[in-house]
Formats: sequence, structure tokens, C-alpha cells
Amino acid sequence: DAGVIQSPRHEVTEMGQEVTLRCKPISGHDYLFWYRQTMMRGLELLIYFNNNVPIDDSGMPEDRFSAKMPNASFSTLKIQPSEPRDSAVYFCASSSSGSSTDTQYFGPGTRLTVL
Amino acid sequence: QKEVEQNSGPLSVPEGAIASLNCTYSDRGSQSFFWYRQYSGKSPELIMFIYSNGDKEDGRFTAQLNKASQYVSLLIRDSQPSDSATYLCAVNENTGRRALTFGSGTRLQVQP
Repeated sequence: DAGVIQSPRHEVTEMGQEVTLRCKPISGHDYLFWYRQTMMRGLELLIYFNNNVPIDDSGMPEDRFSAKMPNASFSTLKIQPSEPRDSAVYFCASSSSGSSTDTQYFGPGTRLTVL
Repeated sequence: QKEVEQNSGPLSVPEGAIASLNCTYSDRGSQSFFWYRQYSGKSPELIMFIYSNGDKEDGRFTAQLNKASQYVSLLIRDSQPSDSATYLCAVNENTGRRALTFGSGTRLQVQP
């Protein structure tokens, strides 16, 4: 069974450019989470969705960040305009409300570098 | 501010020893607790979860939970160099909100 899929795996862009990160959750999972990980701040939750609906976006750092989930198998995290301080590894994770646990399964991550 | 605290380490243990990783959390209402392992450059992967006070064993790993002290730990018996990684503690307050709050992680080094 395929795990969480993220693309691209690496992204290098220049300040001011738009960046779009993509995620495909595990089939059948109804929760999707976007995290950001840096050395300074660790793993931070940005936003999460349930059945394609955003539930909590309190971790989104500012209006430059937006996330969508148009269907159960696809989500995007967009940064516009990007800034050097956005450089981090962005993880997508998914979980199932039908599971007996709250276990979240992580994708491989996208390493973003903003020059 | 709900917090999950871990010592950043590195925790260095010799091969074959027991590694003890600790985590404290601030929200007394927290209900479920997770340990993830993260190798350098990789994504977090689940090691164990625990919901009830006491010990839970899975192979060389034992998770311990003490809700009264707001403390959860992970013991790794017969530590191997392949166990060298960062271990993240995560907590779910189980208030209907599915999100996990992660600690900053403890880096474990197992010396051959």
C-alpha cells in the first residue's frame, strides 16, 4: 500500500517567487496535516483538514501561506511570495478516524530553500 | 501555551545498553501519547503509542506513561547503532482536535 506521497522532494527558489507543495494522503484516510520542521522551531503544525475541510489553520504563519484540499486524494500548500525564512522541510501526514489510534503517517517531506 | 518538553541531547549510550528517553507535557487533559523516530534527512515514523498509565512493551521498546506526573518515557533495550536517531514525543489532548503537539526531540547516539 502506498504511503503519503509528496512532491517535489526538493525545491529551490528565489525570494518573491510562488511555491506550491503537493501531497497525496494514504487512500481512505480522512485527516490530512501539513507540518513545517526547522532546527530552531522543531516540528510545527500549520493546518489540518478533515474530509477535505480545513479544521484548524492557527499554525499558518501569515497570509502568504494558503492550503487547499480540493478532493480526498490531493492537497496543496502554497507560499506567495516566498521569503528566505520560509526555508524548511515541509511534511504532509494523514490519519484515519476509523483507526483505533490517532497515528499519523508522514510523507517523505519537501525540502524548501528560498534564496 | 500547551507544551511538550524533551531534552535535546545528544544522549550517548554504548551498544547493548538501555537508552531512556523522557518527555513531559503541560496539558493534564492529554489522552494519547506517541513516540516517533526520525533519522537524519528522513520523515518521522511511529515507534509506539500509549494511552493508559503503566508500561507498554513492543520488542526492544517500552513506553511508560504516568499521567499524574505528566510524564512519558521510552526505553530502548539492547541499543544498537541503528537506533541512533532523533526521537520525537507527541501528545494529543483528545479534545476532539486530532492534531498532535510534538516535542523538539532527543538525539540518541549509540556507540558501537
